[in-house]
Amino acid sequence: DAGVIQSPRHEVTEMGQEVTLRCKPISGHDYLFWYRQTMMRGLELLIYFNNNVPIDDSGMPEDRFSAKMPNASFSTLKIQPSEPRDSAVYFCASSLARGDKSTEAFFGQGTRLTVV
Amino acid sequence: RKEVEQDPGPFNVPEGATVAFNCTYSNSASQSFFWYRQDCRKEPKLLMSVYSSGNEDGRFTAQLNRASQYISLLIRDSKLSDSATYLCVVKGGGATNKLIFGTGTLLAVQP
Repeated sequence: DAGVIQSPRHEVTEMGQEVTLRCKPISGHDYLFWYRQTMMRGLELLIYFNNNVPIDDSGMPEDRFSAKMPNASFSTLKIQPSEPRDSAVYFCASSLARGDKSTEAFFGQGTRLTVV
Repeated sequence: RKEVEQDPGPFNVPEGATVAFNCTYSNSASQSFFWYRQDCRKEPKLLMSVYSSGNEDGRFTAQLNRASQYISLLIRDSKLSDSATYLCVVKGGGATNKLIFGTGTLLAVQP
C-alpha cells in the first residue's frame, strides 16, 4: 500500500482565496483524521470521520473551514476564504479500529500551506 | 488546561546518555496511549504503544501511571539518530476515537 496520500505537498495562496486540501487514506481504514500543526500550537485535531461520517468537528476553528468525505477513499479540507493565520502544515491520518482499541494512525506527508 | 501536556524541551544530551520524557493527560477516562516520533519537516510516526504493565522495545521503555495520569518514555544509550520530537498521544475516553497529541518534546543528541 502507498500509505496515506495528500495533495498538494505545498500550497502558496493569496489571502481571500479558496484552498482545497486532499487526502486518500489507506485502503480499508475506517477512521480519517485532519490535523493542523504550527510551532505555537503543535498538532491540533480539526475533525475526524468514521466510515465517511464526521464524528467530531469541534476542532474546526471557524466556519471558513469545512471537510468532506464523499467515499471511503477520499477526503477534502477546504478553507474559504483563506487568511494568513491559516498558514500551517495540514496532516491527514487514517487508522483501523479493532474492537475498542485504536490501532496505529498513519499520517500522510502533509500539505504545507502558506497564505500571503 | 491542555488535554495532553509535555515539556517542550529541548533536551540536549550526549550520545550514550539516558533520557526520560514525561507527559500528563487530563481525561481520566482515556483508554489508549502512544508515543510518536516526528523528524524535522516530516510526518509523525508511531514509536510505541504504552501498556498498563509497561513495555519495552529495545532501548525504549514506556510506562503508564493511571492514578497520576502520566506517561513516560525512557531512552537508554541514546544515539544521534534519536534526535527528533517525541509526541505523547492519548486516545479520548468513552466511545470517542480521538487521538489527542501533546505539543512534543524536542530531543537533540550531541556527538
